[in-house]
Amino acid sequence: DQQVKQNSPSLSVQEGRISILNCDYTNSMFDYFLWYKKYPAEGPTFLISISSIKDKNEDGRFTVFLNKSAKHLSLHIVPSQPGDSAVYFCAASDKGANNLFFGTGTRLTVIP
Amino acid sequence: GAVVSQHPSWVICKSGTSVKIECRSLDFQATTMFWYRQFPKQSLMLMATSNEGSKATYEQGVEKDKFLINHASLTLSTLTVTSAHPEDSSFYICSAAGGWGEPSTDTQYFGPGTRLTVL
Repeated sequence: DQQVKQNSPSLSVQEGRISILNCDYTNSMFDYFLWYKKYPAEGPTFLISISSIKDKNEDGRFTVFLNKSAKHLSLHIVPSQPGDSAVYFCAASDKGANNLFFGTGTRLTVIP
Repeated sequence: GAVVSQHPSWVICKSGTSVKIECRSLDFQATTMFWYRQFPKQSLMLMATSNEGSKATYEQGVEKDKFLINHASLTLSTLTVTSAHPEDSSFYICSAAGGWGEPSTDTQYFGPGTRLTVL
């Protein structure tokens, strides 16, 4: 079964508003989480990450929140811009392991 | 939910040898599979797109004679790194799309990746 889940396949947000993308995971051994942004015909580009020792990491307009007890992380984009329109994947890994587990992606559309 | 597996999860080989990596969709038929390579700063570079029964489409700059991709069935794609060299050492990830009649490749199911180390 999927160890990392993104239950919303799509999200539409008005320009200037906040975009919130959600991700859930099942493996409590995961200790490092990443968000990727993907444009068509390209590979996912690394956006932001968070270690399990933190509950928040901020980089400009992008903030990732981690709730370990709920096994949930979210990506906040504020303010949203039309150029943010893309597919966003969350991913998780277990320190020392070779694996990187991805969610299935959420397509974000920012409406001008 | 859909599961994609990769085998092996890690491999160490000598320079000049060939390595085959398998990508399997375990519970759905994947009409399209993608192969990625992870670079420093963790972004993934799309190497090629393969559709079952046809030749893979390689991205610019990816040597098709070096990275052989075979998508022989709807559940299996293989990537063979031929005559591997240390610079080929990387993390290779596959993904599969097209399960359950989904026409869009927005929804991709990723494998857990294969760590290749070439000595």
